[in-house]
Amino acid sequence: YVLTQPPSVSVAPGQTATITCHGDNIATYNVHWYQQRPGRAPVLVVHDDDDRPSGIPERFSGSNSGSPATLTISRVEAGDEADYFCQVWDRTRDPPDVFGTGTMLTVL
Amino acid sequence: EVQLLESGGGLVQPGGSLKLSCAASGFTFSIDYAMSWVRQAPGRGLEWVSGITGSGTTTSYAASVKGRFTVSRDNSKNTLILQMRSLRLEDTATYFCARKAGWGRGYYDEWGQGTLVIVSS
Repeated sequence: YVLTQPPSVSVAPGQTATITCHGDNIATYNVHWYQQRPGRAPVLVVHDDDDRPSGIPERFSGSNSGSPATLTISRVEAGDEADYFCQVWDRTRDPPDVFGTGTMLTVL
Repeated sequence: EVQLLESGGGLVQPGGSLKLSCAASGFTFSIDYAMSWVRQAPGRGLEWVSGITGSGTTTSYAASVKGRFTVSRDNSKNTLILQMRSLRLEDTATYFCARKAGWGRGYYDEWGQGTLVIVSS
């Protein structure tokens, strides 16, 4: 199972960034999103399509109502510049976990 | 505070072996939490490597490491292990241990800082 993301997305501060995640029948899965800053471990920013962990700003939101799944970052800040990865899990599949190809978000 | 601390990385020759450990603290390292190893080659994306259920009875592997890597856990010592054998150049990466958020949860809510494995002659 392959999850495909655009290699890069660029956005000006204060604007909205949309990062997509394409996969076969992706709407049937729960999609999760991670932010990874250079040299750091990934951080969960959205889980189960559209839920935010505590401590993640409301500016981060997700959707998976139809292909593709999307991560939306509103009112983008310089600190949002990072790599973003989508991920799905299916216990019946081998392998059960798959990460997307990753998107580098650049804040202009 | 939840902490995952990887160790055991280093330089190894092709064909060699290495054992990675992940010491968990700040939570009950038990059957409630499945764990995984995820790696990232230099300048590349995340690649899921291996996973193990909370009880340790079920394991799974990426095709790229199946037959060469073995994942295990010792719940009494709060430790996750990845035994790597027949290492290849393409296994060079930072290896992260990560915690699944709970029973039946498909996402990783806690990550270690990673340990670097370099396979080179």
